[in-house]
Amino acid sequence: AQSVTQLGSHVSVSEGALVLLRCNYSSSVPPYLFWYVQYPNQGLQLLLKYTTGATLVKGINGFEAEFKKSETSFHLTKPSAHMSDAAEYFCAVSSGAQKLVFGQGTRLTINP
Amino acid sequence: KAGVTQTPRYLIKTRGQQVTLSCSPISGHRSVSWYQQTPGQGLQFLFEYFSETQRNKGNFPGRFSGRQFSNSRSEMNVSTLELGDSALYLCASSLGQANYNEQFFGPGTRLTVL
Repeated sequence: AQSVTQLGSHVSVSEGALVLLRCNYSSSVPPYLFWYVQYPNQGLQLLLKYTTGATLVKGINGFEAEFKKSETSFHLTKPSAHMSDAAEYFCAVSSGAQKLVFGQGTRLTINP
Repeated sequence: KAGVTQTPRYLIKTRGQQVTLSCSPISGHRSVSWYQQTPGQGLQFLFEYFSETQRNKGNFPGRFSGRQFSNSRSEMNVSTLELGDSALYLCASSLGQANYNEQFFGPGTRLTVL
């Protein structure tokens, strides 16, 4: 069975500050890992994904994440937060089937 | 290319009724997955259809069912609605043919059960 734990249901940072959203996963097989963003009253938009290869993955809107197998982590970072980054972020894992297992989500607030 | 569309966007039903939600995937996508999103349980996988066949299933009661048509459009049905079925129902489409293809999500249908 697979599972995802997102540390911190709510993260607040100042505009221009570093954004760090934490995600740890559990998987019995090599995982595929994803970060999605959800704005109010909208569906999910893929920010980035790790399937195989390079462990540092760059995504849209300046976000990136690093797959660390030894730590079973896939933390999301952005060097400088923008007001438009305020949203809910979901980390997800898949074993390769078209089935995603999501974390509980982290609501990111940006303070001016 | 048009994105994933879901209809209706909002729905209000009463306990005991049944409801049908529709999802039209991106053109050329043959896999459609459904997810339920609630504040308490988060995002949970319901089922996935590929070429009109259910290929994966989550842990939901039999009141939740689905089907897929030859044009890849999918419907999800919930019978005998309960208050706890109030949720945002998201569908996602993908090519569905490799080990993992990126899933593209629709805007969701918000179901309220009174």
